[in-house]
Amino acid sequence: AQSVTQLGSHVSVSEGALVLLRCNYSSSVPPYLFWYVQYPNQGLQLLLKYTSAATLVKGINGFEAEFKKSETSFHLTKPSAHMSDAAEYFCAVSDHLTGNQFYFGTGTSLTVIP
Amino acid sequence: GAGVSQSPRYKVAKRGQDVALRCDPISGHVSLFWYQQALGQGPEFLTYFQNEAQLDKSGLPSDRFFAERPEGSVSTLKIQRTQQEDSAVYLCASSRTNSGHEQYFGPGTRLTVT
Repeated sequence: AQSVTQLGSHVSVSEGALVLLRCNYSSSVPPYLFWYVQYPNQGLQLLLKYTSAATLVKGINGFEAEFKKSETSFHLTKPSAHMSDAAEYFCAVSDHLTGNQFYFGTGTSLTVIP
Repeated sequence: GAGVSQSPRYKVAKRGQDVALRCDPISGHVSLFWYQQALGQGPEFLTYFQNEAQLDKSGLPSDRFFAERPEGSVSTLKIQRTQQEDSAVYLCASSRTNSGHEQYFGPGTRLTVT
């Protein structure tokens, strides 16, 4: 079975500082991995995805994530935080067997301090 | 183009009432998914349609939950005899392909059962 663990339910960074949101996955087969962002009262927006191509994935809004099989991790980073990055971030996993069922982490709330 | 839309955005129901939640996927999208997101949690899979066929309903929490997509486009999630534990945000997502590996989410319907 697949699962995702997001370490740190709340992360605070200063504007301009590095953003690092952690995600570790569990999967018995090669995974597909995703990061979504959710703004208040809105649905989830796809930031980036890994589907077995390049291990360093670049997404929208300056975010990127690196797939590390040895560490079973897919951490999300952004070099310089912006006030507009404040939101809830979800990591999700699926694979070619479960195919269509996404398993989400419990989310990390990012606060950006001016 | 238009994204995934859901209606109503907010629904308050008294315990025991039946509710129907609507999802309009992106035009032409083959796959449609329903998720339940409890407060402070990540979305949890409920059910999946490929066109009009409900291929996976393993996430539906009880037989009070029923989903349909009769013409392969609009979908309705129905909850009979609502209970307080049904209070959550119900998210709909659609995907262009059968694999569902890039899901576009609607804004959700927030259901409150009193």
